[in-house]
Order: sequence, then C-alpha cells, then structure tokens
Amino acid sequence: AQSVTQLGSHVSVSEGALVLLRCNYSSSVPPYLFWYVQYPNQGLQLLLKYTSAATLVKGINGFEAEFKKSETSFHLTKPSAHMSDAAEYFCAVSFISGNTPLVFGKGTRLSVIA
Amino acid sequence: KAGVTQTPRYLIKTRGQQVTLSCSPISGHRSVSWYQQTPGQGLQFLFEYFSETQRNKGNFPGRFSGRQFSNSRSEMNVSTLELGDSALYLCASSRDSKTEAFFGQGTRLTVV
Repeated sequence: AQSVTQLGSHVSVSEGALVLLRCNYSSSVPPYLFWYVQYPNQGLQLLLKYTSAATLVKGINGFEAEFKKSETSFHLTKPSAHMSDAAEYFCAVSFISGNTPLVFGKGTRLSVIA
Repeated sequence: KAGVTQTPRYLIKTRGQQVTLSCSPISGHRSVSWYQQTPGQGLQFLFEYFSETQRNKGNFPGRFSGRQFSNSRSEMNVSTLELGDSALYLCASSRDSKTEAFFGQGTRLTVV
C-alpha cells in the first residue's frame, strides 16, 4: 500500500543546531513530495516541493530537502535552528497513479530550546 | 493573488446541532479537499471535490457531507454533531490532485 511515514512525533533541538526531520514513503513509482509547516491554530504552509526535477530542493525559511530514491526518503533539514522554527511539520506525498489526493504523514512537532 | 479563505474561523455548537463550513479556493483551482485535525488522530482526509464532483472520500460517517459549486467554492456539513467532532477543519485547494495544495487558516469547531 502507498504510504508516508514520519519518524519521530517530537524532535527537540537547541537553537543554532541542525534540524533533521525524517520522511519515508512507500511506492514503486517515485511520487511528488512536499513538506508543510503548521503554526498553532493556523493552516498548513508549503515549505518546499519535489516534482522530479533537482533532487535537492530548497524551500522557504532556510529549509531544504533531498529526494533519495534508493532510500525512498525525503528528509527535511536546516543547518541552524531558530526559535521561530518551532512548529509542526508534515510530509505529504502525491502518488502518480490515479487521482488520489495528497497523503500526509502524522507530523513531527519541532521544539527549539534556547 | 488571494489565498484560500475559510469561514467562519471559530464556531461553537451544541451536540445534536448541524453546522456548515465554507471554503473559497484560490482562483483557478478546481480541486478542494477537506481535512479534520485533532490532537489524537492528526490530519485526517474527509473528501475531495473536483469540478463539482466528489472524487475521493475518507473514512468518515455519513454525517459528514460536502459539495462544490460551479465557482469551485465548497461547503462541508456535519449533521447531528457529537463532542468528538470538535476539531480544526482545514480546506485545501489545488489545480489538480497532483500539484501542491494550499491551505486555508481553518475553522475551529467546538461542540459542547
């Protein structure tokens, strides 16, 4: 079955430290991939997307993600965490076959410690 | 370019009542999806409408329904509200199901 998994429901980092949020998908055909961020009581905001062009994708707020087909992964990184990065992050997948809507992971809550 | 607009932002209803939530998508977007978000269950897909037709449906009871109008605006309705329906309801629009979705701010529904 096609699915997306985010490892770690909660990640805590120190301000200035590397942020790494993990996302793996299961599909025989590389899908389109997205990362979204959600601040409390807000909707989801698109951070970045992969649509089969460059495998290293740069997004807003200094985030980037690398698509690795061999590992079926699309991990989100940021070199230096800022307090304002504290939020919930969702990985989403659009599978190529059919007209199924985006499939979202369960989310990872990022805490940034001063 | 205006974003996705959801109204109202906050709503308090009593058990047994019904509620209608509204979503205006980005101009030119024909796909509108609805999601329910709760602390326990996370983000759950309700249904998707494309050109006035329901194209996909999540695993929710028949009390949850929706529709899409010719201008792509969408409404979702929940009848016979239960306490467990308290959630943030999110609407997302996209050109089609293969492209990125843009979300509204959500409607916070509280059932008392």
